Amino acid sequence: EDQVTQSPEALRLQEGESSSLNCSYTVSGLRGLFWYRQDPGKGPEFLFTLYSAGEEKEKERLKATLTKKESFLHITAPKPEDSATYLCAVPGGSGGSNYKLTFGKGTLLTVNP
Amino acid sequence: SQTIHQWPATLVQPVGSPLSLECTVEGTSNPNLYWYRQAAGRGLQLLFYSVGIGQISSEVPQNLSASRPQDRQFILSSKKLLLSDSGFYLCAWSVQWGSNQPQHFGDGTRLSIL
Repeated sequence: EDQVTQSPEALRLQEGESSSLNCSYTVSGLRGLFWYRQDPGKGPEFLFTLYSAGEEKEKERLKATLTKKESFLHITAPKPEDSATYLCAVPGGSGGSNYKLTFGKGTLLTVNP
Repeated sequence: SQTIHQWPATLVQPVGSPLSLECTVEGTSNPNLYWYRQAAGRGLQLLFYSVGIGQISSEVPQNLSASRPQDRQFILSSKKLLLSDSGFYLCAWSVQWGSNQPQHFGDGTRLSIL
């Protein structure tokens, strides 16, 4: 069974203090890994897809990286508006489809001004 | 561009009452559609998915059902709500099978059962 574990559960940073969130996974054949951002009371917003070990994606202050066992979401010089819960997920199911996503429980990031 | 709409945003219902939540997608054809429930501390749980009109697969046995009467419309229903049905319900879409594309979520419905 696919498993996704995110750490830490919660992270509090000062504005400008860079850090990383971790997503470790156990899957039978990785077919990609997705990062999402979720604001309170809203649905998850798609950020990145990573398909293979060594791949990196960047968007503003965020950079996602992938190894064979885990993914990191690096946040450089965060601002208060980066405060949110960050979720990672891996696709599963049969036939090479992505119909089922296994999500981690998320990391709640708070950036203080 | 594609957009996904869910309503209502918030719903308070008594135990034993029926439920109907609706989700529509615009700007794409033949999407896969999904219903998730998100409970505090438990992450997102896939409830139903659909690859076409009238085609519904259930992931978790429960008090809920889903229907897809039109290509871009997905409905979550219950005949009699239980207290345990409370939660945050999310609809999502993705492109059809054959590519590992991400799922895109609506803004959810917060359901409270009294």
